[in-house]
Amino acid sequence: AQKITQTQPGMFVQEKEAVTLDCTYDTSDPSYGLFWYKQPSSGEMIFLIYQGSYDQQNATEGRYSLNFQKARKSANLVISASQLGDSAMYFCAAGFKAAGNKLTFGGGTRVLVKP
Amino acid sequence: SQTIHQWPATLVQPVGSPLSLECTVEGTSNPNLYWYRQAAGRGLQLLFYSVGIGQISSEVPQNLSASRPQDRQFILSSKKLLLSDSGFYLCAWRQTGGRETQYFGPGTRLLVL
Repeated sequence: AQKITQTQPGMFVQEKEAVTLDCTYDTSDPSYGLFWYKQPSSGEMIFLIYQGSYDQQNATEGRYSLNFQKARKSANLVISASQLGDSAMYFCAAGFKAAGNKLTFGGGTRVLVKP
Repeated sequence: SQTIHQWPATLVQPVGSPLSLECTVEGTSNPNLYWYRQAAGRGLQLLFYSVGIGQISSEVPQNLSASRPQDRQFILSSKKLLLSDSGFYLCAWRQTGGRETQYFGPGTRLLVL
């Protein structure tokens, strides 16, 4: 079965600094998609960024970028210029073609941005 | 644009009572629909998904059931709630045949007492 691992349960980051959230995945499926979601205290899951397993370039969406290292099976999220509103839980997820593209989620990382 | 609704937002129910949570999607047709549960401080667990009307796949054995009576409506039900059914329930949709990205509704917080 596919597994997503987020090893950082919580992190503090200073406002305006960058933060990297780790994510590794375990699969033998060559075709998959990697996702990051943000969950603020309200509970809603907000889609941030997507990376396909065959994409040659790392995905970027505004202040979010995904550091995709296929050989290491890692898909770290980088948030640049942190803002107070970035304080939330962040979940890494993957959809594997062999599993019908259903998403498997990691356990999450809580980020607190300090002013 | 597409929107996804869930209600109720919060629910407190006694053990043994029935449950019905509703999810509807607007602005798309024939979406894939999903029900997830999130325990406090944990990740998401996929409960059910549906690729079309009347088509339901269950991911884990449990006290819950799901139905899809209309293309853009997904319902999560139980005949008798257990304490362990407490949690945060999230509905999500994905465009059929498109990228795997799932978009989530606002969720329902269920507390079973």
